[in-house]
Amino acid sequence: QQQVKQSPQSLIVQKGGISIINCAYENTAFDYFPWYQQFPGKGPALLIAIRPDVSEKKEGRFTISFNKSAKQFSLHIMDSQPGDSATYFCAASMGSGGGADGLTFGKGTHLIIQP
Amino acid sequence: DVKVTQSSRYLVKRTGEKVFLECVQDMDHENMFWYRQDPGLGLRLIYFSYDVKMKEKGDIPEGYSVSREKKERFSLILESASTNQTSMYLCASSFGLGGYTFGSGTRLTVV
Repeated sequence: QQQVKQSPQSLIVQKGGISIINCAYENTAFDYFPWYQQFPGKGPALLIAIRPDVSEKKEGRFTISFNKSAKQFSLHIMDSQPGDSATYFCAASMGSGGGADGLTFGKGTHLIIQP
Repeated sequence: DVKVTQSSRYLVKRTGEKVFLECVQDMDHENMFWYRQDPGLGLRLIYFSYDVKMKEKGDIPEGYSVSREKKERFSLILESASTNQTSMYLCASSFGLGGYTFGSGTRLTVV
């Protein structure tokens, strides 16, 4: 049973546009929701994370929107740049929030930003 | 910067071989994890450890075991490699609320 559903599987956005990736979760015990960015040949790297006590978190061009009642969260990349082309994973964990018991990942979104 | 180092970037092993994947982190993190990454399936947790000599099964532990004799080192063992274990293996470590740091991965091919 997949606990974190991510969409779309792939996404093409023009340079300067807004990239939006969505995730939905099932387990209401999840309390930590990070996004990871992965470039080819590299491991995933933490991009931004949110907890359920806030509805939005912004870091530079990257914003997480969180809807607790709908059990959904999304990543918005403003003014998308070719350097943002990568695979993005949403994830969730429970307990300490730091994920001592492991993160559950979505299946990933392959994002291409066209110049 | 936290560094998680996986000993091999690429490995080719034969079916039935015992395979060891090594991971070392240099920031005294309590928690360490092994994931496998497959196209279209994302990252799936194999095993994790929250302390020396402690281990917990993740979502797909079958065919794997782990060893954590020292805090900085977490090894993944394929007892008898099979072709369906051909994958990218990622090690990660974490401490508290600081998020996970991943290694660059080991691409294992079992022939």
